[in-house]
Amino acid sequence: GQQVMQIPQYQHVQEGEDFTTYCNSSTTLSNIQWYKQRPGGHPVFLIQLVKSGEVKKQKRLTFQFGEAKKNSSLHITATQTTDVGTYFCAGTGNQFYFGTGTSLTVIP
Amino acid sequence: DAGVIQSPRHEVTEMGQEVTLRCKPISGHNSLFWYRQTMMRGLELLIYFNNNVPIDDSGMPEDRFSAKMPNASFSTLKIQPSEPRDSAVYFCASSRAGRETQYFGPGTRLLVL
Repeated sequence: GQQVMQIPQYQHVQEGEDFTTYCNSSTTLSNIQWYKQRPGGHPVFLIQLVKSGEVKKQKRLTFQFGEAKKNSSLHITATQTTDVGTYFCAGTGNQFYFGTGTSLTVIP
Repeated sequence: DAGVIQSPRHEVTEMGQEVTLRCKPISGHNSLFWYRQTMMRGLELLIYFNNNVPIDDSGMPEDRFSAKMPNASFSTLKIQPSEPRDSAVYFCASSRAGRETQYFGPGTRLLVL
């Protein structure tokens, strides 16, 4: 069945360093969404990408949808302690699947 | 506007007891999702309703789990009998349509002793 995997599973960075998480699907996706879950909280929608090769930015966050619409990435420039949390991608293929998540720790 | 509302927020129960989790989706949303989150298994989709009808329940672990959506503004997830391995955070989410942005509730943290 369809799977959406994310790497890395965990990432520790010093505050100010950049961070990237990658999302890979076994099948082509019609769209991809990204969510952030703070420790002890619930997933919160960040953005949706629909077009092949699409790139969107939200302040220090850059989201990219691959040309083949099977992968995506989230890049954070100059991380801050407020970026701590787990980042999930979620894709729509035959069904809607959440990725495995990347847990980000930012060391002050 | 109120977001997705879940109750209770925390539940501690003993093995063998019945547990009922409740969810009120955002008004006007047609799709409702139940998820379970654990450290070991991550975020798992249990069941998905569209217009109050269950569309995909392939993620429901076993017969001990059941979910209902009697109307557009209310859903329940029931575990009977509960087991320690059911301990997890259970999220309810709703969206305007099945493949659109999902809005999550605060979750119910369930501990089965």
